[in-house]
Amino acid sequence: DAGVIQSPRHEVTEMGQEVTLRCKPISGHDYLFWYRQTMMRGLELLIYFNNNVPIDDSGMPEDRFSAKMPNASFSTLKIQPSEPRDSAVYFCASSPRLGDTGELFFGEGSRLTVL
Amino acid sequence: AQSVAQPEDQVNVAEGNPLTVKCTYSVSGNPYLFWYVQYPNRGLQFLLKYITGDNLVKGSYGFEAEFNKSQTSFHLKKPSALVSDSALYFCAVRDRGTDKLIFGTGTRLQVFP
Repeated sequence: DAGVIQSPRHEVTEMGQEVTLRCKPISGHDYLFWYRQTMMRGLELLIYFNNNVPIDDSGMPEDRFSAKMPNASFSTLKIQPSEPRDSAVYFCASSPRLGDTGELFFGEGSRLTVL
Repeated sequence: AQSVAQPEDQVNVAEGNPLTVKCTYSVSGNPYLFWYVQYPNRGLQFLLKYITGDNLVKGSYGFEAEFNKSQTSFHLKKPSALVSDSALYFCAVRDRGTDKLIFGTGTRLQVFP
């Protein structure tokens, strides 16, 4: 398997623009997670899905952020409008199940810079 | 709420020397604990986990971790460090209530030749 695939790897945009980050989880994994990593706040869980259904979005910072999972092989994280404070590395991760196994498989991340 | 703490932002060690990266936890009930590693410009990779059983857990790349219930610790160790071990290391705990994986703030390990 190719692992979790994220695109784009790097995105530079201007404040106010819409940003869409994409993720293809590992086939057969029922759980998908979106994390954000910054120097100041570390690794934050934004939202996670189970079988394409959003389970917990309490980490989504504000209404400018939205995430969808239209099918088992694709998810998007959208920021509209983007702001400089959204600059971070956004990771997608998938897992076959939760419970005691706990192993998440992370993508390489999407580095977002908002000017 | 479940949480983990990594008291050191950075650990420096000479190649060939043993290394320890510290983690303490705060949970109700029996903890599910994990270590992940992040190499530069990469995603996190699973190293090892403690669920139950033997307090010494062996993982990838020669790493091991010791679960100590009395000290509520789960320190990551390796007998002989390699320069290639230089990376960011995250301790994590599974929140039994929400099933979320809660990560610590990370410890940067620098191994000098």
